Amino acid sequence: GNSVTQMEGPVTLSEEAFLTINCTYTATGYPSLFWYVQYPGEGLQLLLKATKADDKGSNKGFEATYRKETTSFHLEKGSVQVSDSAVYFCALSDRTGGSYIPTFGRGTSLIVHP
Amino acid sequence: GAVVSQHPSWVICKSGTSVKIECRSLDFQATTMFWYRQFPKQSLMLMATSNEGSKATYEQGVEKDKFLINHASLTLSTLTVTSAHPEDSSFYICSAKNGETQYFGPGTRLLVL
Repeated sequence: GNSVTQMEGPVTLSEEAFLTINCTYTATGYPSLFWYVQYPGEGLQLLLKATKADDKGSNKGFEATYRKETTSFHLEKGSVQVSDSAVYFCALSDRTGGSYIPTFGRGTSLIVHP
Repeated sequence: GAVVSQHPSWVICKSGTSVKIECRSLDFQATTMFWYRQFPKQSLMLMATSNEGSKATYEQGVEKDKFLINHASLTLSTLTVTSAHPEDSSFYICSAKNGETQYFGPGTRLLVL
């Protein structure tokens, strides 16, 4: 079956530090890949996505590249801010067999200190 | 981007009562919506897939008679927690599928006393 594995958190950084949150996946088909962000007490917001191999998703300074050869979709940001503190979820959707199967990672908490 | 709303955002109820949560896609039609449950500091657990005009598809271990789902229109799905008990207290999140992307509602926090 499909699965998404994220690095364990929390990730604690100082403001302006470089961020990487690792995400790897297994899927039977040709999935689309997503990063969602959840701020405290809120639902999930789509941060970025990539629908095919070598695509790069980007938004608000965050980037992730769909690497089929390593089955990875690592999230990066060059300089984090305190306001980036949140939980980040890596996810995939797989259309194999005509059905839509969403699969989420466990989430990685990011804490950014001033 | 696409907007999904949920109502209510908070609900506190007595044990044994039923609670209805609405999920609406505000600027697109969604033939498929999803209902998730999230426990503190954990990932989302998919409860069921709601299909407009047909019965919902429930994930293994989710009681369909306890969590009633109705997807009566292309912009509205409802989740009714019947005879709620304290162990049903949780954060319930819906999402609506628009193309390949899921757009999430802000969530509904349910507290059963």
